Formats: sequence, C-alpha cells, structure tokens
Amino acid sequence: EVQLVESGGGLVQPGRSLKLSCAASGFTFSDYNMAWVRQAPKKGLEWVATIIYDGSRTYYRDSVKGRFTISRDNAKSTLYLQMDSLRSEDTATYYCATGYFDYWGQGVMVTVSS
Amino acid sequence: DVVLTQTPPTLSATIGQSVSISCRSSQSLLHSNGNTYLNWLLQRPGQPPQLLIYLVSRLESGVPNRFSGSGSGTDFTLKISGVEAEDLGVYYCVQSTHAPPTFGGGTKLELK
Repeated sequence: EVQLVESGGGLVQPGRSLKLSCAASGFTFSDYNMAWVRQAPKKGLEWVATIIYDGSRTYYRDSVKGRFTISRDNAKSTLYLQMDSLRSEDTATYYCATGYFDYWGQGVMVTVSS
Repeated sequence: DVVLTQTPPTLSATIGQSVSISCRSSQSLLHSNGNTYLNWLLQRPGQPPQLLIYLVSRLESGVPNRFSGSGSGTDFTLKISGVEAEDLGVYYCVQSTHAPPTFGGGTKLELK
C-alpha cells in the first residue's frame, strides 16, 4: 500500500523558517518525480514545487522561488521542503504527492502568523 | 501558465442522478509523446485529494466505474453515472503536460 506521511508543520512567525518532511513507502520512491502542493484555508489546490526522481532538477512556483527548497533522500525514501522567509500568504495545508498527482499524503498544516 | 477552467463551480444533484463536469484548458494538453496528462481528483471534506481518472480517461484502480473521463486537446469532461452519497466533495482537474502543473478551480458536488 502506498503511503505518504508528512510532518514538520506548525505555527511560525513571519520571516522564520520551517522544514517539512514526507516519508514514503509502498512504492519505489527513487523512480518517481515528487511534488509539494498546498491548499490555503477554504481555497483550491496550488502546486508549489517538483523534484525529478534522481534529484537532478527542481521546479518552483514563482511566489516561492528563492525562499523554498525542495529536496529528497532516495536512500531514506523521504521528500523535504525547506521553507525560509515565510509569509502570511504561505499559510496552508501542504501535501506531498507523486509527480503526476496519483498518490497524496494526508497533509500538514503550516500557519504563518505573529 | 496553462489555465484550467472548470464548470460549473457548484453542482447540486440527487442520489442516482448523472452529472458532468467540464474542464477547459487555455492550450492543448497533448504532449509531444502522444500522451495527454489530464487527471481528475476528488477531495472529500476533511480529506486529501484522491486520484479518480488519469490520462484523460483511465480509471484508477479501486475507483467505481460510474466515473468516466473523456475529451481531447483543450476540452475534457468527467461524468458520474448515478451519483452516490460518497461522491460528495470537490472535484479538480489537473494538467502536467506543460510546466508548471496547474489545477482547475474545483467543482463542488452537493446533495440537492
């Protein structure tokens, strides 16, 4: 059974940092591109970043470029999202998903507020 | 970026009714490799999204066959043939033919 389990969310002040993790199991993690998708409260889904299966390339939405870093550890089957210089508009539930959005984690809430 | 426009934004249905949701793209979603990377997702209240349909019309394993997808190029449709109570929630189309991937705005399916 495919499982994606996110962790690391919480309440953080504007300008501070947070690192999300996503532990994968039930599939060959190193074969899959992976993505982070977020959903602000009562809003739709918004792609955040993608990393290629071997970590060789990364892609970001414009609003997080230079602030967020997606990475992966294939030996640990784990995906990461380092979020720096957080803003109130980054408040959302963050989902880890496979690259074509076929499998999703349960999500983790990130609240940016003073 | 590719814009996906879903209609209607809200859909009211009775149990057993058949309904359709449209997803229109601002550009063709046909990839140079011949695939069309258009998926349909369902997000039930309080739950993460789940895949229903991939590559326009392929039913994900375990998804009831009352769900079907069709379309090509820029126009796509999700049909539910006989709504059941467990189908309530928000439906999203998502494309990954063009970078960056983009989602439709969602269609909320409610009980009438």
